[in-house]
Amino acid sequence: QVQLQESGPGLVKPSETLSLICNVTGDSIRSNYWSWIRQPPGKGLEWIGYIYYSGTTKYNPSLKSRVTMSVDMSKNQFSLTVNSVTAADTAIYYCAKDLPAFEVWGQGTLVTVSS
Amino acid sequence: ESVLTQSPGTLSVSPGERATLSCRASQSVATAYLAWYQQKPGQAPRLLIYGASRRATGIPDRFSGSGSGTDFTLTISRLEPEDFAVYYCQQYGSSLTFGGGTKVELK
Repeated sequence: QVQLQESGPGLVKPSETLSLICNVTGDSIRSNYWSWIRQPPGKGLEWIGYIYYSGTTKYNPSLKSRVTMSVDMSKNQFSLTVNSVTAADTAIYYCAKDLPAFEVWGQGTLVTVSS
Repeated sequence: ESVLTQSPGTLSVSPGERATLSCRASQSVATAYLAWYQQKPGQAPRLLIYGASRRATGIPDRFSGSGSGTDFTLTISRLEPEDFAVYYCQQYGSSLTFGGGTKVELK
């Protein structure tokens, strides 16, 4: 059974960098596309981007200039960084497996941007 | 990038009734790349339908998807108490976008 678990700081200061990790168990990170999706409190879903184990990435055009994703095959994890965060980046961040539909989701982690 | 517009924003229905949710795309979407999700409060979304009409693993057959091009529909044939939730459509093309969601609430 595939499980995804997000981890990282719950509070980030404005203008700093948000960094999250998604740990994958029950499947090899080599086998699929892996995405990050976020959801501001009380609002809808926004896709941030995906990464393939080879390092191929595709990002949402609206976030592309501030987002980086990477894969650590030795740890079966993938990560997200978002630079120069503002309050608008406050959201629940989910990692998810597969494309073109997201078959498995992590439980999500709330990241608040505040001084 | 295809913008997905879901309607209605809120749908009030009684248990046992039929619910019909709409998802309209600003550009044509390949049927293979249209999905539907259910989200309950405090939970991650759950994949219901992929490829516009294929039920995901473990999804009851009261959920069905249809449509093509720019108009897609999710139908819940007989609402169960556990079906009251928010539903999102999602497309994957040149980019990947979600609709704004339809809340299905108890009438």
